[in-house]
Amino acid sequence: GAVVSQHPSRVICKSGTSVKIECRSLDFQATTMFWYRQFPKKSLMLMATSNEGSKATYEQGVEKDKFLINHASLTLSTLTVTSAHPEDSSFYICSAQSGSYEQYFGPGTRLTVT
Amino acid sequence: GQSLEQPSEVTAVEGAIVQINCTYQTSGFYGLSWYQQHDGGAPTFLSYNALDGLEETGRFSSFLSRSDSYGYLLLQELQMKDSASYFCAVNNAGNMLTFGGGTRLMVKP
Repeated sequence: GAVVSQHPSRVICKSGTSVKIECRSLDFQATTMFWYRQFPKKSLMLMATSNEGSKATYEQGVEKDKFLINHASLTLSTLTVTSAHPEDSSFYICSAQSGSYEQYFGPGTRLTVT
Repeated sequence: GQSLEQPSEVTAVEGAIVQINCTYQTSGFYGLSWYQQHDGGAPTFLSYNALDGLEETGRFSSFLSRSDSYGYLLLQELQMKDSASYFCAVNNAGNMLTFGGGTRLMVKP
């Protein structure tokens, strides 16, 4: 099956700093990737849709200037949390699709902002 | 807006059968998906229904009734490793997924 990786798996940063999370499709090309946020024992909330070569589409309530998304190639999308605050601490998960209805999820990145 | 409702928790014993229901209210419906997620892990795809009826994949089956905006996931011959959270999700245009709140399944010996 298709494999999606995320890096880093865990990151701890200080308030005010920025953190970049990478999402890669390892064995297929993904024209579209999605970024989700998940709180403990809660559902996955779609943050944005990342399209290769164009601007990301953000869901209502998600600050595009705070959560910068870049989809520079067909195998890589990055999410940068800028000027992180403790309330940004969460589990961030990306997914990729290769044309079918199935989405392939990365293993997630646990961000802790101190 | 869109919303999906599913039970928050279900408990069953090994070898039993369990059904997790999902009702939804949405626009632009393309299909209903089910994903499994173990604690701390990535969601993994289980099944997809675009049309009414039952789809069977091994021990897992999924059902959809578009007229009732209702679907369910059926897990048979439960095993301890099936303890996880199960999410129904509506596939919208562009294959965007809107997830339900998740059902935490606990399988007991």
